[in-house]
Amino acid sequence: DAGITQSPRHKVTETGTPVTLRCHQTENHRYMYWYRQDPGHGLRLIHYSYGVKDTDKGEVSDGYSVSRSKTEDFLLTLESATSSQTSVYFCAISDPVTSGSANEQFFGPGTRLTVL
Amino acid sequence: GQNIDQPTEMTATEGAIVQINCTYQTSGFNGLFWYQQHAGEAPTFLSYNVLDGLEEKGRFSSFLSRSKGYSYLLLKELQMKDSASYLCAVYSDYKLSFGAGTTVTVRA
Repeated sequence: DAGITQSPRHKVTETGTPVTLRCHQTENHRYMYWYRQDPGHGLRLIHYSYGVKDTDKGEVSDGYSVSRSKTEDFLLTLESATSSQTSVYFCAISDPVTSGSANEQFFGPGTRLTVL
Repeated sequence: GQNIDQPTEMTATEGAIVQINCTYQTSGFNGLFWYQQHAGEAPTFLSYNVLDGLEEKGRFSSFLSRSKGYSYLLLKELQMKDSASYLCAVYSDYKLSFGAGTTVTVRA
């Protein structure tokens, strides 16, 4: 299994507060991704990174920012949390060099965030 | 834009076969993935198709037709542990776009 962890695993916060979720990998994979998963919507990409300090938006990026200052860590920040951001957040990693043609993504255990 | 459709739920009996269909209309295509996700857990990789045809991996097989925008995942000799959600995802430009997932329930 890919060495990928997420912290915290559970968090309850109040509307308007800032929240940062951390994804940490020990696989030296180049690509890192943040998804949210909600009933009826499946997994939706928030932001992704293709290298240190190189990030781009996904399909649901509004209200979220990311940072990647070193290969192993990818941070997701909710600047001012809203109830619509209550969700399960998954981090994933991949690397086309080590994975070959498949370039499959490996997922972390997830963070359950509740915004009251 | 991306449009990926798969059935919401399917139920089958232990030992039987189930086929989960996935149709897609996407702006780019570099392959199609299937993931399995048990309740409360992370998705795990099952299969990847980039060329037309059938890929077999033990009890699981996946088929792709690029001209029809169609894939299916075939689960044979169903076991209780196969009760899970199965996610179809289109790969393009190093990103995955997922369908909403199909929940498969295996009954004894």
